[in-house]
Amino acid sequence: DAGVIQSPRHEVTEMGQEVTLRCKPISGHDYLFWYRQTMMRGLELLIYFNNNVPIDDSGMPEDRFSAKMPNASFSTLKIQPSEPRDSAVYFCASSPGQGSAEPQHFGDGTRLSIL
Amino acid sequence: DQQVKQNSPSLSVQEGRISILNCDYTNSMFDYFLWYKKYPAEGPTFLISISSIKDKNEDGRFTVFLNKSAKHLSLHIVPSQPGDSAVYFCAASPGTYKYIFGTGTRLKVLA
Repeated sequence: DAGVIQSPRHEVTEMGQEVTLRCKPISGHDYLFWYRQTMMRGLELLIYFNNNVPIDDSGMPEDRFSAKMPNASFSTLKIQPSEPRDSAVYFCASSPGQGSAEPQHFGDGTRLSIL
Repeated sequence: DQQVKQNSPSLSVQEGRISILNCDYTNSMFDYFLWYKKYPAEGPTFLISISSIKDKNEDGRFTVFLNKSAKHLSLHIVPSQPGDSAVYFCAASPGTYKYIFGTGTRLKVLA
């Protein structure tokens, strides 16, 4: 079975540009999570969705960050405008719905560098 | 405010010996704990978990211990193998689908 698929794997862009990260969760998983990994703070949860609806966005750092899930098989995380401090690895994860003990499955991440 | 702390950024162990990775948490509402392993350029992969109603869970070479009174959990790997070299993340959940992760411990198993 295909796992969580993220694109692009690497993104290098200049400060001020818009960045869009993409995620395809595992088919049948009702929950989707966006994380950011930095050396100082480890893996931070930014936002998560249940059945395409945002449930908790308290981890989104500021208004420059937005996330959408237009359907069950696709989500985006957008940064506009981007800043050098946004440089990090961004992970998407998904998990099945209520009643399952199955843990979150992660994609391989997008390494973002803002110059 | 780090609710899940991994105070050792790195650990080196000889092949065949025991690796012990530690994790502390502050929120007594956490009732489910997990360990994930991460290789370079890959996403974290689930390793082992434990519910707060237990104090030990074992899966092959991996054992997780939970001490609720001390708000401490540890991962034991016996015997350690070079392929175990990775970053290990501890995570905790308050019974929702939200995980709070620590900052990770880089384990190096020396051949």
